[in-house]
Amino acid sequence: GAVVSQHPSRVICKSGTSVKIECRSLDFQATTMFWYRQFPKQSLMLMATSNEGSKATYEQGVEKDKFLINHASLTLSTLTVTSAHPEDSSFYICSASLRGGTYEQYFGPGTRLTVT
Amino acid sequence: AQSVTQLGSHVSVSEGALVLLRCNYSSSVPPYLFWYVQYPNQGLQLLLKYTSAATLVKGINGFEAEFKKSETSFHLTKPSAHMSDAAEYFCVVNAGNMLTFGGGTRLMVKP
Repeated sequence: GAVVSQHPSRVICKSGTSVKIECRSLDFQATTMFWYRQFPKQSLMLMATSNEGSKATYEQGVEKDKFLINHASLTLSTLTVTSAHPEDSSFYICSASLRGGTYEQYFGPGTRLTVT
Repeated sequence: AQSVTQLGSHVSVSEGALVLLRCNYSSSVPPYLFWYVQYPNQGLQLLLKYTSAATLVKGINGFEAEFKKSETSFHLTKPSAHMSDAAEYFCVVNAGNMLTFGGGTRLMVKP
């Protein structure tokens, strides 16, 4: 139980285009979903927290107009990287916390974004 | 405020040897503590968690960790390393439903 999927697992796009990454909780309802970014050989950096039906809360230094987050349902959150640049290339990981759970987060498998 | 320190960004052990990955934390409220493992180009997999029950927590793949409040530590151990244990390990604190990650420790296992 408590499986989180991400799609796509890998994406290559050209500079200036937008890319959408989906995060789904497959067998549970997620009250809160989180988006992280991970640079090579580094830890995860929280980008934003999203609750179903409300606006995402972004961490300091994360551009909300560049990284659009939508959490339309209890099982789906999307991250759209708008007008992507090569420096946006990274590994993006989402996680979801269980409604009423003991603060454990379940992580997706990650999405490798490469901007050329 | 909370923080997590993992001592040693790289740890190398021989196959069959004891694995010890160190984690110290600080938190203003009683924390929940987790260890996650990450294999290359994959997400994070939960190894074990401490949620204020037993202080010695057993996880998957033979790993265990002991919560020591007096030392503010939550070190991860495994009696005998296997080649498949080579990965990145993250100690994570959750206080107030916000996760704080340690910097990670890359475990290398030599044959």
